[in-house]
Amino acid sequence: DTGVSQDPRHKITKRGQNVTFRCDPISEHNRLYWYRQTLGQGPEFLTYFQNEAQLEKSRLLSDRFSAERPKGSFSTLEIQRTEQGDSAMYLCASSPGGTSGKETQYFGPGTRLLVL
Amino acid sequence: GNSVTQMEGPVTLSEEAFLTINCTYTATGYPSLFWYVQYPGEGLQLLLKATKADDKGSNKGFEATYRKETTSFHLEKGSVQVSDSAVYFCALSKAAGNKLTFGGGTRVLVKP
Repeated sequence: DTGVSQDPRHKITKRGQNVTFRCDPISEHNRLYWYRQTLGQGPEFLTYFQNEAQLEKSRLLSDRFSAERPKGSFSTLEIQRTEQGDSAMYLCASSPGGTSGKETQYFGPGTRLLVL
Repeated sequence: GNSVTQMEGPVTLSEEAFLTINCTYTATGYPSLFWYVQYPGEGLQLLLKATKADDKGSNKGFEATYRKETTSFHLEKGSVQVSDSAVYFCALSKAAGNKLTFGGGTRVLVKP
């Protein structure tokens, strides 16, 4: 199966620690998105890449968060100095490139983060 | 800014009942509209989409029509099954960035 994959699926960490998540998109997709979903809520946009370029960041993405997509393939999302409020499901999605707004995004299974 | 509002759940139905989940949106221009579904323990999956006014998206017996005049995209299914128990998310995207704006989700529970 060549869907979107994310690693790890679950992460428990202590407040103040750094964590890094990885996302592998569908291979021919040049757009990659990160979202955050808290319990009982819909996903909220964090950032997206067109190939290796990070084109937009949400105001939700504080300076403790950084995302990269160095070769235009996989992406990493790092959270420094984690806080309990960072506990959430972090979702990655990919889509073909295009500017019509009609492209479907395909989601990975998510990484569930719990900050103690 | 863009926003999506959908009815709060949970919605509890008996098998073979008719399901409607209301979704309305606020956006400038002409967004594309989507319904995603999240089954227990699984990731988000696209259920259907519509990219222009009066388009009808359909899949697995579900339908939704893009109504520009009422800024709505209500999801319907004529006869639900237990396997339709899930959380349903309405979403929109605009051109250029294509980022999705989601509603809060509606949990549906279908009982035998």
